[in-house]
Amino acid sequence: QVQLQESGPGLVKPSETLSLTCTVSGGSISGYYWSWIRQPPGKGLEWIGYIYYSGSTNYNPSLKSRVTISVDTSKNQFSLKLSSVTTADTAVYYCAREQGRTIFGVVHNWFDPWGQGTLVTVSS
Amino acid sequence: EIVLTQSPGTLSLSPGERATLSCRASQSVSNNYLAWYQQKPGQAPRLLIYGASSRATGIPDRFSGSGSGTDFTLTISRLEPEDFAVYYCQQYGSSPYTFGQGTKLEIK
Repeated sequence: QVQLQESGPGLVKPSETLSLTCTVSGGSISGYYWSWIRQPPGKGLEWIGYIYYSGSTNYNPSLKSRVTISVDTSKNQFSLKLSSVTTADTAVYYCAREQGRTIFGVVHNWFDPWGQGTLVTVSS
Repeated sequence: EIVLTQSPGTLSLSPGERATLSCRASQSVSNNYLAWYQQKPGQAPRLLIYGASSRATGIPDRFSGSGSGTDFTLTISRLEPEDFAVYYCQQYGSSPYTFGQGTKLEIK
């Protein structure tokens, strides 16, 4: 079955750019939407954005100015960049595959499966 | 964006009891595009329910979802020890996708 694994630095300095990669195994990245979701320690879940395998994206307006999600189908990977980070960006970052349907161009998806998550701490 | 409010914040029950968790949306969720997830400490969330009432693959039938419009419910008919966890609802009817703040189900 499909498995996802996040990778990247666990510590990022304030004002710098957070960069994470999600590697998909056991299946192809093609044909699906892929998302990043984060969870600050002890708090709830926040959707960051998604990318379709073809490269189209949709971001949460709350983070849109700082987020870039990209895909590399040859490596079966997609990536997250979050710029100008502050301590408020400290969180466990999850990648996930989306499933659902697209109706009249509008995407309606839930998340399954998820990666195990990776903790990124923003600190000097 | 659609705000999801879950209640109660914490639910204390014993194994064998019935659990009823609520998720209320600030506006109607189109086509009942609502999912439920279970999260245990140190683990990623796991999909339980999608489309408000469809169980995901491998999810026991003691888990059921219901509701429409702005009011949704997750019911666990008879609690097993492994069911004590945090539960989140998520709407995917409109962008941005949003989650509720979670309900912690703890052993009484």
